[in-house]
Amino acid sequence: DQQVKQNSPSLSVQEGRISILNCDYTNSMFDYFLWYKKYPAEGPTFLISISSIKDKNEDGRFTVFLNKSAKHLSLHIVPSQPGDSAVYFCAASLYNFNKFYFGSGTKLNVKP
Amino acid sequence: DSGVTQTPKHLITATGQRVTLRCSPRSGDLSVYWYQQSLDQGLQFLIQYYNGEERAKGNILERFSAQQFPDLHSELNLSSLELGDSALYFCASSVDGGLASPLHFGNGTRLTVT
Repeated sequence: DQQVKQNSPSLSVQEGRISILNCDYTNSMFDYFLWYKKYPAEGPTFLISISSIKDKNEDGRFTVFLNKSAKHLSLHIVPSQPGDSAVYFCAASLYNFNKFYFGSGTKLNVKP
Repeated sequence: DSGVTQTPKHLITATGQRVTLRCSPRSGDLSVYWYQQSLDQGLQFLIQYYNGEERAKGNILERFSAQQFPDLHSELNLSSLELGDSALYFCASSVDGGLASPLHFGNGTRLTVT
């Protein structure tokens, strides 16, 4: 039962352009959402989060958008850099924050 | 460096054997989580401990068990290993399992069952 889905296994973007990574979820009770970046041979690294009371959160080049009615989350990276090439996971948790459900990841390739 | 330490980095063992994976959380973090990532899959939640007590359970097999010790480090025990148990096992920690705080992950233990 995949409650968090990332339907695009991979994405290729030119350096300097915008990268948009998408995530859908099925459980309307989720109210805390996160994005992680993962390089090979390393653990996932926390990037940015958003709670369900907001629809946008920005941190430098990274912006997360939340559309609760559509149960959709997206991560925008502007401008994209080659160092952003990694696997990106979205995650969601319920009000008690004890379980975090992860998507299967999207591999981003930023071409120089 | 996330501050979460996992040992060993790699483990190769045979079917039917038992292994123990170890995790030291970030300083000050009381919650420890274990996740399994099989090939090309997402991260599957196994179990969470908060200050020594089991707080939440996910899709953890009966052959697997975990505990968190008084010094807050945690161990994940995998027994009667099968080929399908080959995966990356991640430990993560957070400040408080009851607050909206992100998980911080270790670099994982890669288990290969032959």
